[in-house]
Amino acid sequence: AQSVTQLDSHVSVSEGTPVLLRCNYSSSYSPSLFWYVQHPNKGLQLLLKYTSAATLVKGINGFEAEFKKSETSFHLTKPSAHMSDAAEYFCVVSDTSGTYKYIFGTGTRLKVLA
Amino acid sequence: DSGVTQTPKHLITATGQRVTLRCSPRSGDLSVYWYQQSLDQGLQFLIQYYNGEERAKGNILERFSAQQFPDLHSELNLSSLELGDSALYFCASSVDAATNEKLFFGSGTQLSVL
Repeated sequence: AQSVTQLDSHVSVSEGTPVLLRCNYSSSYSPSLFWYVQHPNKGLQLLLKYTSAATLVKGINGFEAEFKKSETSFHLTKPSAHMSDAAEYFCVVSDTSGTYKYIFGTGTRLKVLA
Repeated sequence: DSGVTQTPKHLITATGQRVTLRCSPRSGDLSVYWYQQSLDQGLQFLIQYYNGEERAKGNILERFSAQQFPDLHSELNLSSLELGDSALYFCASSVDAATNEKLFFGSGTQLSVL
């Protein structure tokens, strides 16, 4: 069975400092991995996705994530946080075994301090 | 704007009642997913339809049912409502049923059961 673990439920950073949101996954198959962002009172929006091409994936708004198979990790990073990055972030692994499910992590709430 | 439309945005009802949530997917998308988001359970996958057929089932209660119509819009029916059903219900759509596809989320229906 596939699963995803977001290691931090809350992360606080100062504006202009780097962001690191951690995600570990478990998968018996070659996974597809995603990061989604949810701003308050909004639906989820895709930041980036990994589907076995380049291990470093660049997304929108300056975010990127690196797929590390040896560490079963897919951490999300951004060099410099902006106030508008404050939101909840979800790491998602897709079930490629044929059951057609996307499995969401529990989310990490990012707070950006002025 | 994701192109996915959910109605109503807010719904307040009483225990024991039945409600219907509606979702119109993005133009051209054949697959519709329903998710429930609550503070204690996080984002839970309920059910997926592809081109009118049920494709995958998640943690959907027997009191809940869904369908996708020939015009591809979908409805989620919740009956015998309980206080614990209060949550944000999201609909998402994608081009097809493959689990490496990007999901487009609606802005959700906030259900309050009193």
